[in-house]
Amino acid sequence: QTVVTQEPSLTVSPGGTVTLTCGSTTATVTNDQRCYWFQQKPGQAPTTLIFNTRNRHSWTPARFSGSLLGDKAALTLSSAQPEDDADYYCLLSYGSLQVFGGGTKLTVL
Amino acid sequence: DVKIVESGGGLVQPGGSLRLVCNASGYDLNSEWVRWARQAPGKGPEGLAGIEKDGRRKSYVDSVKGRFTLSRDIGKNLVILQMDSLRVEDTGLYYCIGGAWWAYWGQGTPVTVAS
Repeated sequence: QTVVTQEPSLTVSPGGTVTLTCGSTTATVTNDQRCYWFQQKPGQAPTTLIFNTRNRHSWTPARFSGSLLGDKAALTLSSAQPEDDADYYCLLSYGSLQVFGGGTKLTVL
Repeated sequence: DVKIVESGGGLVQPGGSLRLVCNASGYDLNSEWVRWARQAPGKGPEGLAGIEKDGRRKSYVDSVKGRFTLSRDIGKNLVILQMDSLRVEDTGLYYCIGGAWWAYWGQGTPVTVAS
C-alpha cells in the first residue's frame, strides 16, 4: 500500500523561501502521479494550489511553484507572506486511486 | 462565482446510513469528474470516491468499497453519495470537489457515527 510522505512541519521567515516535498514509499514520484498541492487554513476547506505537478490555478499566487525534486514532488514558496501560514497537503494519483500525504504545517515566523 | 455545497450530514449510529448530496451553482457538475474526500478531526484529507462526468465510471477507496455508492442526477446537477453500513471511523467532514484538476471544494458537511 502506497504511503505518501511529507515533512510534518517547516518554518520559514517572512520573505524567505521554503520547499515542501511529497514522496512515495513505493516508488519515485514522476509526472505520471500528477501531483496536486492543497493549502488549508484553520476552519476552512482546502484550496487547490497546484495540479499536474507544476500547474497553477488562476487563483494561485505566483510565489508558489511545483516541480519534481529528486525522487519526490516539491512545492516551493518564494517570498513567503504571513498569510501563507497554513497546512499543506499533497496528493498523488495512482490510476483511479488518489492518495493524500499527511500534510506539512508551515509556520511563517 | 462557483459554489459547491454539500448537504445531508448528521449523527448516525454505527451500521446506519446517510445520503450526502453535492450541489453546485455557477458550475455544471456534469462537465467533469466529481470527487468526495473526508477529513477526520485533526487529520488530513482522505480521498474517498469519484464519478466520471457521464456517471459510467466510478472509483472508490478500499475502505468504503461495497458500502458507499456514488450516483448522479444529471437533470438536477447533483451528485449523491449514499453511505451505508457506517462505522465509527467514517466520522469526519465530507467534502465534494468539482471542476477540472480538483478546482472547487465545498465547505463540507459533518458526519458523526456514534452510538
